Amino acid sequence: QSALTQPRSVSGSPGQSVTISCTGTSSDVGGYNYVSWYQLHPGKAPKLMIYDVSKRPSGVPDRFSGSKSGNTASLTISGLQAEDEADYYCSSYAGTYTYVFGTGTKVTVL
Amino acid sequence: EVQLLESGGGLVQPGGSLRLSCAASGFTFSSYAMSWVRQAPGKGLELVSTISYNGGSTYYADSVKGRFTISRDNSKNTLYLQMNSLRAEDTAVYYCVKAPQQLKTFDFWGQGTMVTVSS
Repeated sequence: QSALTQPRSVSGSPGQSVTISCTGTSSDVGGYNYVSWYQLHPGKAPKLMIYDVSKRPSGVPDRFSGSKSGNTASLTISGLQAEDEADYYCSSYAGTYTYVFGTGTKVTVL
Repeated sequence: EVQLLESGGGLVQPGGSLRLSCAASGFTFSSYAMSWVRQAPGKGLELVSTISYNGGSTYYADSVKGRFTISRDNSKNTLYLQMNSLRAEDTAVYYCVKAPQQLKTFDFWGQGTMVTVSS
């Protein structure tokens, strides 16, 4: 399994929207509706932001939304806030106990 | 509140061994699959190993197969990762992760423990 492809970085000003893409294959992203997104702040526990392509766990702001088309999933952060500056990773289910992660994207709030 | 507290990381020489532990609380540990995910310095996330809720099924990444062993003690709410024949490329932060198979995601993560393999 190869890592899912994400842009290395995206940036936006406070209040703007940014979108992160996550491209895989028909064996992972395209084959299942089990794409998740994680937020990583240095020194903190990673946090699940989106699962099942577009579902938000309790406590995650609705500024975060997910979608998928074919082999590419996307995470959109609307109304960007300073605390959203972090690394974001996608992951996809790829079979029993098999998951593949993305290459990671650094979000910078300008 | 779900809490996952890793321990056991440190500096080890190439070829050496280390055992990581993860103390879980705040949920019914024996009902959920658990995983170890690692992040090497400057690199992305990598699923290392997963164990089913009762320990009956395990998964290993090709990069650690035959060298690492995942196990759990449901009576102690603790997850383990025995790491043998360690290599420099195993240097990473190792995260303990709750992995509910019915959700096909990793819903809670620990803060991680650093493993450094170097002479």
